[in-house]
Amino acid sequence: KQEVTQIPAALSVPEGENLVLNCSFTDSAIYNLQWFRQDPGKGLTSLLLIQSSQREQTSGRLNASLDKSSGRSTLYIAASQPGDSATYLCAVIIYNQGGKLIFGQGTELSVKP
Amino acid sequence: DTEVTQTPKHLVMGMTNKKSLKCEQHMGHRAMYWYKQKAKKPPELMFVYSYEKLSINESVPSRFSPECPNSSLLNLHLHALQPEDSALYLCASSQPGTSGEQYFGPGTRLTVT
Repeated sequence: KQEVTQIPAALSVPEGENLVLNCSFTDSAIYNLQWFRQDPGKGLTSLLLIQSSQREQTSGRLNASLDKSSGRSTLYIAASQPGDSATYLCAVIIYNQGGKLIFGQGTELSVKP
Repeated sequence: DTEVTQTPKHLVMGMTNKKSLKCEQHMGHRAMYWYKQKAKKPPELMFVYSYEKLSINESVPSRFSPECPNSSLLNLHLHALQPEDSALYLCASSQPGTSGEQYFGPGTRLTVT
């Protein structure tokens, strides 16, 4: 059974700091992996999708990496800003289960001005 | 357009009421999903429709009844709910046979009194 873990559960950093959020999964037979951002009481915003054949994906100040063999993905945020404060969720896409997402518990990020 | 819309934004209902949540997407996606999310927890999958047919029901109580009237619309009919059903209900869509990337709506905040 696939399990997804995110560490840390919460993180507080000063503005301008570079930071890394971690996501690990127990079964390397994934289809793809998706990173989301969620603001309080809002829906999920897709940040990056990494296909299982890729090693990394970049969008602006965000860089996500994937190492299937070790069951790990990281989300790197450069030069953090208070507007980056949100909960970040990673989800593994299990294609053979109808595109079902298996979510981690999330990392709650707070960037202090 | 990568937008998924949900109505209403907020809903308060009594335990004897019947209400419906609506979700709409115009991305041409043929898979649509309902998720339930409690505070500080990741979304939990409830139902998946693929090509307008119910493909996954995650053992959801019968007081929740999904409906997919066409490829753009997804409804969730609610009847005789319990206070513990209070949560954020999220809709998502994706295109089968592609990356599996899911796009989420803003959610409906449901309170059962």
